[in-house]
Amino acid sequence: DTGVSQDPRHKITKRGQNVTFRCDPISEHNRLYWYRQTLGQGPEFLTYFQNEAQLEKSRLLSDRFSAERPKGSFSTLEIQRTEQGDSAMYLCASTPTAGETQYFGPGTRLLVL
Amino acid sequence: GQNIDQPTEMTATEGAIVQINCTYQTSGFNGLFWYQQHAGEAPTFLSYNVLDGLEEKGRFSSFLSRSKGYSYLLLKELQMKDSASYLCAVKGGSTLGRLYFGRGTQLTVWP
Repeated sequence: DTGVSQDPRHKITKRGQNVTFRCDPISEHNRLYWYRQTLGQGPEFLTYFQNEAQLEKSRLLSDRFSAERPKGSFSTLEIQRTEQGDSAMYLCASTPTAGETQYFGPGTRLLVL
Repeated sequence: GQNIDQPTEMTATEGAIVQINCTYQTSGFNGLFWYQQHAGEAPTFLSYNVLDGLEEKGRFSSFLSRSKGYSYLLLKELQMKDSASYLCAVKGGSTLGRLYFGRGTQLTVWP
């Protein structure tokens, strides 16, 4: 039973560059979430997909952030024109159709220089 | 707004029992979760409470009182590997499922 996977695990970029992260949820989990976590804080919700439909977006998700889940399986999160304040751990989680628990991936740690 | 409060840090010794409290104020309530997170790793699911009362799972138990907006996580027979951050998270009133997390309680277990 494979868990949620995320790629890359670490990303260092220069301010102003674009970055894209990928999340592969647990097979047949139709709900997918993105969160962001900074040091000493709990995860903060960014966005939610049910199958391919993006049903909710946080106000934290500025115009520079976009997420997709084109075929209802894997998802991508893109950050354009990165800023130093975007440095954080980006976590992906998935939930089965009939279930409540969100299972988290290992995260992508982003550092913007 | 949503408010989830838990202590920032706790310490305990191996073999002891520790209780981590969480209070919450949210618009709507559809369940409370506890996650364990080791440094640099993803949160790992520990427990889920949606009804009042105690849920026991091995060395870990979780309690919920919806009327008081209160939960606790009880860890028994502490081991060094239990040193981690423990996150309290509430699923709000929306059916969409987003979780609201507290800041986490950093537990240090001493030998």
